[in-house]
Amino acid sequence: DAKTTQPTSMDCAEGRAANLPCNHSTISGNEYVYWYRQIHSQGPQYIIHGLKNNETNEMASLIITEDRKSSTLILPHATLRDTAVYYCIVSGVQTGANNLFFGTGTRLTVIP
Amino acid sequence: GAGVSQSPRYKVAKRGQDVALRCDPISGHVSLFWYQQALGQGPEFLTYFQNEAQLDKSGLPSDRFFAERPEGSVSTLKIQRTQQEDSAVYLCASSMGQRRYGYTFGSGTRLTVV
Repeated sequence: DAKTTQPTSMDCAEGRAANLPCNHSTISGNEYVYWYRQIHSQGPQYIIHGLKNNETNEMASLIITEDRKSSTLILPHATLRDTAVYYCIVSGVQTGANNLFFGTGTRLTVIP
Repeated sequence: GAGVSQSPRYKVAKRGQDVALRCDPISGHVSLFWYQQALGQGPEFLTYFQNEAQLDKSGLPSDRFFAERPEGSVSTLKIQRTQQEDSAVYLCASSMGQRRYGYTFGSGTRLTVV
């Protein structure tokens, strides 16, 4: 599975949009981009995933560049409860390839 | 249940002691995963089950680590002769079977070996 590069930490003002970038320049054609987040003392929480097209759900939006070498997770109106470590993961859907490589993620701090 | 349940929530073991960590996945989820998370690090893959079959155990750090899921639902991660370096949070996740559905994680078991 391709590896990702994320900033170590970011701050965002409460109520503003949080834009979390991720580089995945070695992504291959059958690999999805996944985002998870981990709030302190909890297990990781699935947020969203995509292959080529932009995706939106009740939690966030995922913007994937046309060449698929990078993506951005957008939390449209950040709240204090969004303070967490956000992991960008690239992984294929091949049989047996079920390991998600989390890396160290981006620590997002939402500031009142 | 509504989520993935792990027990115990916390475990303190003396070095050399054997421990067993339990995971109750979401009902009907065929895939089950174990991850290990050291302090300040992201989760790292240990092993994967599809129903009762252990299809990937490449992440288990040593032969002291053993996992089973005999009836395809509840899983147990056993660590024999615990060492201090085994101290970590052990996370269990389950999914419907295909990764595009996303994994649901439990809150983990924090193991401290003293």
